[in-house]
Amino acid sequence: DVKVTQSSRYLVKRTGEKVFLECVQDMDHENMFWYRQDPGLGLRLIYFSYDVKMKEKGDIPEGYSVSREKKERFSLILESASTNQTSMYLCASTLQGLPYEQYFGPGTRLTVT
Amino acid sequence: GDSVTQMEGPVTLSEEAFLTINCTYTATGYPSLFWYVQYPGEGLQLLLKATKADDKGSNKGFEATYRKETTSFHLEKGSVQVSDSAVYFCALSGTGNNRKLIWGLGTSLAVNP
Repeated sequence: DVKVTQSSRYLVKRTGEKVFLECVQDMDHENMFWYRQDPGLGLRLIYFSYDVKMKEKGDIPEGYSVSREKKERFSLILESASTNQTSMYLCASTLQGLPYEQYFGPGTRLTVT
Repeated sequence: GDSVTQMEGPVTLSEEAFLTINCTYTATGYPSLFWYVQYPGEGLQLLLKATKADDKGSNKGFEATYRKETTSFHLEKGSVQVSDSAVYFCALSGTGNNRKLIWGLGTSLAVNP
């Protein structure tokens, strides 16, 4: 079974802090994604990566950056956390050959105070 | 642009009731269609998919048929269980080879014993 793990289930940070959310997948998937999930807004894509060191902006990249130094790990960085970044963050991965069958991690609920 | 519209929730049913969650889409080209499910406290997981018109996807007693003439992909189950309580997301594959999914907003289902 594919396993996608995220570094924390719950995280509380202060406004202005730099925040790192880590995602690791164990099935050699080429593509990895970061979403945020908010009530009434569904899933919104922040960034995705289709190869090591490659990244593409999603629909809401402002205020975020990403890093993919190794194939199995995709990090989401909030350079200076703000209260409007309080949300559930979901990581997902897919095989190149099945690019739309996404495997999700359990999510990180981030609260910025 | 491409989009997915799902019926609004929450949907509340009694155990053994028939379930329909409506999903319609707008797309150029010939997308694949997906239903994902998110159980409480978990990430999303793929429930079923259909890759071309008139295909029927099925899994765990759920079914959905890709209807090009009505641009729909409604999710159905003949007899729901309490364990089906979750949020259900309809999605379609983006145009081109961009590996992105276009998501509906999700429909929450609560099944009472």
